[in-house]
Amino acid sequence: AAGVIQSPRHLIKEKRETATLKCYPIPRHDTVYWYQQGPGQDPQFLISFYEKMQSDKGSIPDRFSAQQFSDYHSELNMSSLELGDSALYFCASSSHRGNTIYFGEGSWLTVV
Amino acid sequence: AQKITQTQPGMFVQEKEAVTLDCTYDTSDPSYGLFWYKQPSSGEMIFLIYQGSYDQQNATEGRYSLNFQKARKSANLVISASQLGDSAMYFCAMRENGGTSYGKLTFGQGTILTVHP
Repeated sequence: AAGVIQSPRHLIKEKRETATLKCYPIPRHDTVYWYQQGPGQDPQFLISFYEKMQSDKGSIPDRFSAQQFSDYHSELNMSSLELGDSALYFCASSSHRGNTIYFGEGSWLTVV
Repeated sequence: AQKITQTQPGMFVQEKEAVTLDCTYDTSDPSYGLFWYKQPSSGEMIFLIYQGSYDQQNATEGRYSLNFQKARKSANLVISASQLGDSAMYFCAMRENGGTSYGKLTFGQGTILTVHP
């Protein structure tokens, strides 16, 4: 069965650079979530989209933005990167018809 | 206030034995869902089991079962017949539905499970 696809899996950026993460949800899933997991921490909610509209916003820095496109894929844009942005970034998706939220394998971001 | 509490930073179990990972939650939303995820050292977040607040029976998925005690606001994960591959971090999470079908997850701090041969 198709899962949530995230790309890239790993990326290394320098401070003040920009990074873009992509997420392709499970087919027919209408909701996408973005989470950030720092080293040794639990995942923290950043932002979510339902039917291509922003549905909720968490602790997402102003330097970050995200959107969901007409084909339901989503992108997380991170600008002016800081060392503290180094983390594992997850995308997850769900359907309003089901209860389960599935996560992608994550994108490891290292800021040097 | 912490919405999801996992009081066991680490747990050890012998292979083939059962283990219970604790999780308590706090919410005033009458409609919510409780989730357990497994995160191996490779980093991916693997869905294990789901329990809805209105579900009458405890959820089961293979070797995983959820001991749901609504009055106590607890949702403990029971893993039967532990295997070496069960060694991982385990997260309990809650979604408060708030009348929608797309509420976000709030995670607990996690429990590291180590299975000994």
